[in-house]
Amino acid sequence: GQQVMQIPQYQHVQEGEDFTTYCNSSTTLSNIQWYKQRPGGHPVFLIQLVKSGEVKKQKRLTFQFGEAKKNSSLHITATQTTDVGTYFCAGWQAGGTSYGKLTFGQGTILTVHP
Amino acid sequence: DARVTQTPRHKVTEMGQEVTMRCQPILGHNTVFWYRQTMMQGLELLAYFRNRAPLDDSGMPKDRFSAEMPDATLATLKIQPSEPRDSAVYFCASGLTGVGGLDEKLFFGSGTQLSVL
Repeated sequence: GQQVMQIPQYQHVQEGEDFTTYCNSSTTLSNIQWYKQRPGGHPVFLIQLVKSGEVKKQKRLTFQFGEAKKNSSLHITATQTTDVGTYFCAGWQAGGTSYGKLTFGQGTILTVHP
Repeated sequence: DARVTQTPRHKVTEMGQEVTMRCQPILGHNTVFWYRQTMMQGLELLAYFRNRAPLDDSGMPKDRFSAEMPDATLATLKIQPSEPRDSAVYFCASGLTGVGGLDEKLFFGSGTQLSVL
């Protein structure tokens, strides 16, 4: 079945440093989504990427979708303590969301030291 | 703001007891997912429904778990009998999917923290 792998599992940074998490799918994806889960909270949707090679930005966050639609990355510039949490990627398998299911990566736990 | 409502928030029970978790999806959403979160397994898909029909429950131990959606406003996840290894946070999420061209994102409930002693 479809697998979505995410690395690294943990990342500890000093406030102000950059952070990147990577996501790879075993199958081509129709789209990919990113979620953030604060400690003790529930996952909250951040963004969806649909097109091959797509790049989207949200303030200090940059999201990329690979050309082959099998990988994605999230980059945070100059991390802040408010960025702490677990970042998940989640992909719908190709064929659209009428088929298949949304599979989540394992998540990257980000810790930011002030 | 519309939100997914899950009950109970916390449940402590003894091994062998039945546990029922409930979820009220956002009105108008056609898809409901049940996920289980543990430190070891991350977010693990247990089952999901579209237009109340079960589409995939391959992630669920069928001998003890069951998921149903008796109507559009209620989804349930039942464990009988419960075991200590079922201790986890169970999330319900809903979304509007399969319609194309929209942000087909999921909205998660606050989860049920289950502890089986």
